[in-house]
Amino acid sequence: GQQLNQSPQSMFIQEGEDVSMNCTSSSIFNTWLWYKQDPGEGPVLLIALYKAGELTSNGRLTAQFGITRKDSFLNISASIPSDVGIYFCAGPTISGGSNYKLTFGKGTLLTVNP
Amino acid sequence: EADIYQTPRYLVIGTGKKITLECSQTMGHDKMYWYQQDPGMELHLIHYSYGVNSTEKGDLSSESTVSRIRTEHFPLTLESARPSHTSQYLCASSELGTSGSLQETQYFGPGTRLLVL
Repeated sequence: GQQLNQSPQSMFIQEGEDVSMNCTSSSIFNTWLWYKQDPGEGPVLLIALYKAGELTSNGRLTAQFGITRKDSFLNISASIPSDVGIYFCAGPTISGGSNYKLTFGKGTLLTVNP
Repeated sequence: EADIYQTPRYLVIGTGKKITLECSQTMGHDKMYWYQQDPGMELHLIHYSYGVNSTEKGDLSSESTVSRIRTEHFPLTLESARPSHTSQYLCASSELGTSGSLQETQYFGPGTRLLVL
């Protein structure tokens, strides 16, 4: 099936630094989703992207839907300790007929040093 | 904010016990999912449902079973728990719309952390 390659696998940064992570695929996606998972909790949707080239912000977070529709990146500016967690990209893939299910990247573990 | 609930949040149980993990959502979503996730690792889809009386196995083989008798409720059952079932189980839901992939924004519950001794 389709796979999402997410990188980096982990990041260890100082508070105040900017962060960038990305997802790539060999297949075209019509939607890109970015989730954040805090330790011991379920993933929470951060940003949803629905159009190629779309650039969307949510506070200090900015995500872009690549123009080729095969990639997306997520930037976090001026990181703070509560940004710690695992960030997942996800995109819908067809699962029989016209039904879809989400394919997830393997996640980027972000650690922020105060 | 998503209204999807999972109980219990934490469960420690002995080998051989039967357990049911509860998942409910109040958003009227047709589609519901169960994922298994080891700490810090990727999400693995183990079951999903497109509506009442519909259940399908996911990408990762699981000894658990699910049922979907009501739209809002999607419980997962392990008939005989084993230490290899120790993991976090996440429930999610999404709308079943006519716009295809645009309805695939899934909303997750807080998860159940299961420890089988």
